[in-house]
Amino acid sequence: RKEVEQDPGPFNVPEGATVAFNCTYSNSASQSFFWYRQDCRKEPKLLMSVYSSGNEDGRFTAQLNRASQYISLLIRDSKLSDSATYLCVVNLGSTGRRALTFGSGTRLRVQP
Amino acid sequence: DTEVTQTPKHLVMGMTNKKSLKCEQHMGHRAMYWYKQKAKKPPELMFVYSYEKLSINESVPSRFSPECPNSSLLNLHLHALQPEDSALYLCASSQGPLSGRAVGEQYFGPGTRLTVT
Repeated sequence: RKEVEQDPGPFNVPEGATVAFNCTYSNSASQSFFWYRQDCRKEPKLLMSVYSSGNEDGRFTAQLNRASQYISLLIRDSKLSDSATYLCVVNLGSTGRRALTFGSGTRLRVQP
Repeated sequence: DTEVTQTPKHLVMGMTNKKSLKCEQHMGHRAMYWYKQKAKKPPELMFVYSYEKLSINESVPSRFSPECPNSSLLNLHLHALQPEDSALYLCASSQGPLSGRAVGEQYFGPGTRLTVT
């Protein structure tokens, strides 16, 4: 089983739609969680951290379910500019380990 | 705009060449990272420097040699690479482990697209 799993997509949605991505992680000791977005041939950019209580940033809402070991990202009122690959990222939190594990990404295409 | 810069943007090298990739950040971050990313795959961690000391080497072949001359700079020296090493090489930085900030809040440079012929 992969440490971090995502549906690769692509998710093809019309402008204005609401779309949700899920990501599961295997290590229950994981400590911190993030969503990054990566545009084609560009570097990953931090979209948002995911907190236990859930958090919202404009049209984006992230939630964490520790019991079921998944995190989610909800995008409301999709824009063409939201088209990108969304990477779920987990810090497995091993003692002294300062590194991340990336999911393989979910590709989103927002269409006019 | 990224605050992590990388040079060169593109590099083509032969298997017998020696070259170096450079990364610089001026955000006062004390952790820096090298990642390798192949097409349609997520970034794979190669090395982590924390407070200018190598803290993680993900079993990377010795033909890749990292160097951290100071807290703002990170180099990756390349020697005798193979065609399968062709990829996008990404540098990233984050606040150090004593900052209290999550290590996952990393800032990536634009990458060096490397082709080994």
